[in-house]
Amino acid sequence: GESVGLHLPTLSVQEGDNSIINCAYSNSASDYFIWYKQESGKGPQFIIDIRSNMDKRQGQRVTVLLNKTVKHLSLQIAATQPGDSAVYFCAENKGTSYDKVIFGPGTSLSVIP
Amino acid sequence: NAGVTQTPKFQVLKTGQSMTLQCAQDMNHEYMSWYRQDPGMGLRLIHYSVGAGITDQGEVPNGYNVSRSTTEDFPLRLLSAAPSQTSVYFCATRGNTEAFFGQGTRLTVV
Repeated sequence: GESVGLHLPTLSVQEGDNSIINCAYSNSASDYFIWYKQESGKGPQFIIDIRSNMDKRQGQRVTVLLNKTVKHLSLQIAATQPGDSAVYFCAENKGTSYDKVIFGPGTSLSVIP
Repeated sequence: NAGVTQTPKFQVLKTGQSMTLQCAQDMNHEYMSWYRQDPGMGLRLIHYSVGAGITDQGEVPNGYNVSRSTTEDFPLRLLSAAPSQTSVYFCATRGNTEAFFGQGTRLTVV
């Protein structure tokens, strides 16, 4: 069946260090992946996305890596700041014509000042 | 430009009562969806719509109805609330890629 899951439910990092959040997916037909950030009491917020024809995409302080061979997705946050503390979700979508977005369970990131 | 607006923010219902969660967007997005989020879990898709007049079921549609008469609005109806429907509900819209979420409705069914 379809599933998107995370390796680590919680992650604590020192301010200024880099963070890496991992995600495994099982459906090889998925062609679009998204990372969301959810702060306490708020709705998820889009961070970055990547299509299956790419293996890396960079944004501002964030990088998403996709390894289709092992069905693994990661989010790297450079120079982690206290404002990065949140729950991070990876999500899977089978393209814009198929609009079911499946979320993983989430990883809680805590930044230690 | 308000983005995605959900009302109410909080609601307590008794078992068996009905209610409608409202969702409105001003971004002219065709795609809208409803999710529920339970403690310590990710979001699960309830229903979605790819345009006015078109709706479809997500992962957990039982107990919920939707309609899409306009591009702007996508209400979620609970016909007979059950304690298992206690959750935080999020409405989302999507343009070409990025999705935008509302602030959520926290529903408690007692």
